[in-house]
Amino acid sequence: DVKVTQSSRYLVKRTGEKVFLECVQDMDHENMFWYRQDPGLGLRLIYFSYDVKMKEKGDIPEGYSVSREKKERFSLILESASTNQTSMYLCASSLGREFQETQYFGPGTRLLVL
Amino acid sequence: SQQGEEDPQALSIQEGENATMNCSYKTSINNLQWYRQNSGRGLVHLILIRSNEREKHSGRLRVTLDTSKKSSSLLITASRAADTASYFCASQRADNFNKFYFGSGTKLNVKP
Repeated sequence: DVKVTQSSRYLVKRTGEKVFLECVQDMDHENMFWYRQDPGLGLRLIYFSYDVKMKEKGDIPEGYSVSREKKERFSLILESASTNQTSMYLCASSLGREFQETQYFGPGTRLLVL
Repeated sequence: SQQGEEDPQALSIQEGENATMNCSYKTSINNLQWYRQNSGRGLVHLILIRSNEREKHSGRLRVTLDTSKKSSSLLITASRAADTASYFCASQRADNFNKFYFGSGTKLNVKP
């Protein structure tokens, strides 16, 4: 079974702090994704990566950056956390070698920025 | 706005009844997928329907796709209390297969 893990289930940070969210997958997937989930808005794509050191902006990249130094690990960085970044963050991965494929999600990190 | 919209936003039914959720999307797609999310958890893939398919079944799940109307529906038959969750459609864009657009979800409550 594909396993996608996220470093924290809950995080509380202060405005202005630099925040790192880590995601690890164990199935040699090429693609990795970061979404944020807010009530009534569904999931919105922040960034995705299709290879080591490769990334592409999603729909809402402002205020975020990402890092993929190793294939299995994809990090989301909030350079200076703000209260409007309080949200549920979901990481996902997919095989990346075919069109018809599914995404495998981690359990999510609920971030509260005070 | 988001690629996918779902209705209803919330649905409450009795165990044993059928549940139907609908999803609409805006641009051409490769496929449309349905995911389930238990409260406060990650999403789990349920079923995928390709753009050239019209209907697909998996156990108690039935998905239809109407590309002319850019819509899909998910039917859960003989629902169980354990089906209580939020359900999301996700459309994989035809012009960028790395991009999936998720609807806002339908919250299903199945009463025992």
